[in-house]
Amino acid sequence: DAEITQSPRHKITETGRQVTLACHQTWNHNNMFWYRQDLGHGLRLIHYSYGVQDTNKGEVSDGYSVSRSNTEDLPLTLESAASSQTSVYFCASSGWQGATYNEQFFGPGTRLTVL
Amino acid sequence: GNSVTQMEGPVTLSEEAFLTINCTYTATGYPSLFWYVQYPGEGLQLLLKATKADDKGSNKGFEATYRKETTSFHLEKGSVQVSDSAVYFCALYFQGGSEKLVFGKGTKLTVNP
Repeated sequence: DAEITQSPRHKITETGRQVTLACHQTWNHNNMFWYRQDLGHGLRLIHYSYGVQDTNKGEVSDGYSVSRSNTEDLPLTLESAASSQTSVYFCASSGWQGATYNEQFFGPGTRLTVL
Repeated sequence: GNSVTQMEGPVTLSEEAFLTINCTYTATGYPSLFWYVQYPGEGLQLLLKATKADDKGSNKGFEATYRKETTSFHLEKGSVQVSDSAVYFCALYFQGGSEKLVFGKGTKLTVNP
């Protein structure tokens, strides 16, 4: 069965370190998204991609970067982790079939703690 | 811009009680509307959707009707179960724009036996 996976599921790091969160999907979806989830803010979009070599900034992109070298993966990098980036991170993907919306499928999340 | 407002939680109900979670939206044009559910420790999953005015989405006993005149998409269930305890997110998608979903802040539901 097709799926979307994230790794690691839990990560503790120190302020200033570079951290990369992995996201891998086997749906063959063109679109991939990274969100962070925080109490009182719901889900906020960090970055997204419509296909290989395409990346776009979301509403809270400062301090984060992504790259899309293939269809299956969209790793999220925190260049220099800050305590404000302690959060739960979700990856999602969706397909594109003409003008029809396609459901976003979410990964299980990565809980990141920055000390 | 496009936005979604849903009722503040948390909501606590007894088993078999009636549930309503309010959701209203602001959007140019005619978006598609969704409810996502997040069970403890898991990612979000689509619960139901409606793509045009007066459509009713339904799944697992939950229903929501797309009301253009009131710009609303309220989630309802006639008799909740303990297993319905989760966080519920209302979201919209504007066809013809980007592929992004706009989410509400989520409403946590706890159902007690």
